[in-house]
Amino acid sequence: GDSVTQMEGPVTLSEEAFLTINCTYTATGYPSLFWYVQYPGEGLQLLLKATKADDKGSNKGFEATYRKETTSFHLEKGSVQVSDSAVYFCALSDLVTNAGKSTFGDGTTLTVKP
Amino acid sequence: DGGITQSPKYLFRKEGQNVTLSCEQNLNHDAMYWYRQDPGQGLRLIYYSQIVNDFQKGDIAEGYSVSREKKESFPLTVTSAQKNPTAFYLCASSIGLLNTGELFFGEGSRLTVL
Repeated sequence: GDSVTQMEGPVTLSEEAFLTINCTYTATGYPSLFWYVQYPGEGLQLLLKATKADDKGSNKGFEATYRKETTSFHLEKGSVQVSDSAVYFCALSDLVTNAGKSTFGDGTTLTVKP
Repeated sequence: DGGITQSPKYLFRKEGQNVTLSCEQNLNHDAMYWYRQDPGQGLRLIYYSQIVNDFQKGDIAEGYSVSREKKESFPLTVTSAQKNPTAFYLCASSIGLLNTGELFFGEGSRLTVL
């Protein structure tokens, strides 16, 4: 079945540092890929998405590119802020083989220190 | 504002009691989902519904029950048969089958069994 593997956390960075959170996936179809963010005590919210190979999703300075050849969707940000501290989830959704249900990675906790 | 409302935010239960978590959406979405989140783990799918009066088991449905009598509402009952119910429960919705699979989440309900 489908699966998502995320870089293990937690990740601690200083403000203005470069962020990369790795995500790789296994899917039999042609999934859409997502990054969700969860702030403490809240639900998840969509950060960015890509629906086909070579698409780049971007939002709030975060970027991720759908790489079919390496089955990856790594999250990057050039300069993190304290307010970026949260848990980040990589996910996929395959409409053809999994009826649109989403599969999530285990999440990566990011802490940004001033 | 459109969104998903979960209640209660916090709930305490004695062993052997059933409890029902409410989930209401005003996004006019066809599909609704219930996920369970445990510390350090990703989201696990409990039940989902693609249309009114129909729902399917997810990966961890044992000890849970749902109903979908209205498009807007998808309540989850945690029964006494659920052996380890203490967790954070997230309700989500999506437009339906023919979309990219993006999920919209509520703020979550934290259940603690005393």
